[in-house]
Amino acid sequence: NAGVTQTPKFQVLKTGQSMTLQCAQDMNHNSMYWYRQDPGMGLRLIYYSASEGTTDKGEVPNGYNVSRLNKREFSLRLESAAPSQTSVYFCASGTGGHTGELFFGEGSRLTVL
Amino acid sequence: QKEVEQDPGPLSVPEGAIVSLNCTYSNSAFQYFMWYRQYSRKGPELLMYTYSSGNKEDGRFTAQVDKSSKYISLFIRDSQPSDSATYLCAVSGGSNYKLTFGKGTLLTVNP
Repeated sequence: NAGVTQTPKFQVLKTGQSMTLQCAQDMNHNSMYWYRQDPGMGLRLIYYSASEGTTDKGEVPNGYNVSRLNKREFSLRLESAAPSQTSVYFCASGTGGHTGELFFGEGSRLTVL
Repeated sequence: QKEVEQDPGPLSVPEGAIVSLNCTYSNSAFQYFMWYRQYSRKGPELLMYTYSSGNKEDGRFTAQVDKSSKYISLFIRDSQPSDSATYLCAVSGGSNYKLTFGKGTLLTVNP
């Protein structure tokens, strides 16, 4: 049982380049999330998808786009990367609602030069 | 004011010590309180979950919620080096199903 799988685990980009972070979960969860984690800032929600076919902005959506490809997959795209987007990105999934536990991937470490 | 405030530490204790980790929150609508543990270079994982006020115990871990003062705590008894990690509090409630996380406290338990 793989849980939540993120690819790639590491990436270095130059300013202005684009890339997509991929996330897949095998737990049949309805809800999926993208967070970024920065030193001193904690986990901040970028976008989330409460169910297949829906996406909503979180706390820090600027500079990002998402696609809920199907129930299993939720991708995060940086169209024109900026140094401020250097961070560790975590994908998570859950059953949704207040009592639903979130299951996180191992993270994708992105550096924008 | 941030919705959830958490002292980032770092906190360093000897093995066997009792550890107290704390968060405060501002929105009285929050009713669901969680503690996540994150080992270095890993994703967070749920450690404890509490609904409304009161205490919840799980082995060496106790989660405590005081809604009157908007204060949540995690106590670790007989701390072990394997407890060394970052601990993040998280809250949700009302119409907001999204979790709001604290910044996390880095704990090191020294053998």
